[in-house]
Amino acid sequence: GQQLNQSPQSMFIQEGEDVSMNCTSSSIFNTWLWYKQDPGEGPVLLIALYKAGELTSNGRLTAQFGITRKDSFLNISASIPSDVGIYFCEYNTGNQFYFGTGTSLTVIP
Amino acid sequence: DGGITQSPKYLFRKEGQNVTLSCEQNLNHDAMYWYRQDPGQGLRLIYYSQIVNDFQKGDIAEGYSVSREKKESFPLTVTSAQKNPTAFYLCASSPGGTSNQPQHFGDGTRLSIL
Repeated sequence: GQQLNQSPQSMFIQEGEDVSMNCTSSSIFNTWLWYKQDPGEGPVLLIALYKAGELTSNGRLTAQFGITRKDSFLNISASIPSDVGIYFCEYNTGNQFYFGTGTSLTVIP
Repeated sequence: DGGITQSPKYLFRKEGQNVTLSCEQNLNHDAMYWYRQDPGQGLRLIYYSQIVNDFQKGDIAEGYSVSREKKESFPLTVTSAQKNPTAFYLCASSPGGTSNQPQHFGDGTRLSIL
């Protein structure tokens, strides 16, 4: 699979702060998937986006599918220590796989 | 509960040795995947299989081999030809087909060289 551009690469924030990260691609995508990976574990799906402009929330997490269909944003509000981990985006068609390089989040209590 | 089980959690390989990582799923998924994860990098696809008895090379298949004799199982062998095998290996599955389906991941196997 190719690599999507994901930024920032890492973030160190105080507990209670909001977080924003994004993925961009050079191609138009039909779907964006956001995962979180806890240290030493496998990734877990957070949010799936299937339509351009779509805005979807999952608790304190909100993700948006960019209008251009070439980008997506993930926001975390009021961060807590258990938000620590690596967040990454993905797109796949079943035989083509694209992953972001990941955003490592550290939350300082 | 349905899910993906990877074993062992930690594995050590000696020089010139082949090792096999196990991946089993009870989600009745058709497609299964193996990824390699190195520090500071995204997931890189090693092999994938969309149906029993069939599999395709991913981006970094050299030095690895797989089999898919059963729907539930997709073992990965790291051969002695893989000169830099130290990494975190993740197995995943999805319903398959050409639609964009989220993947379900195992908890990984960390392979180190003795």
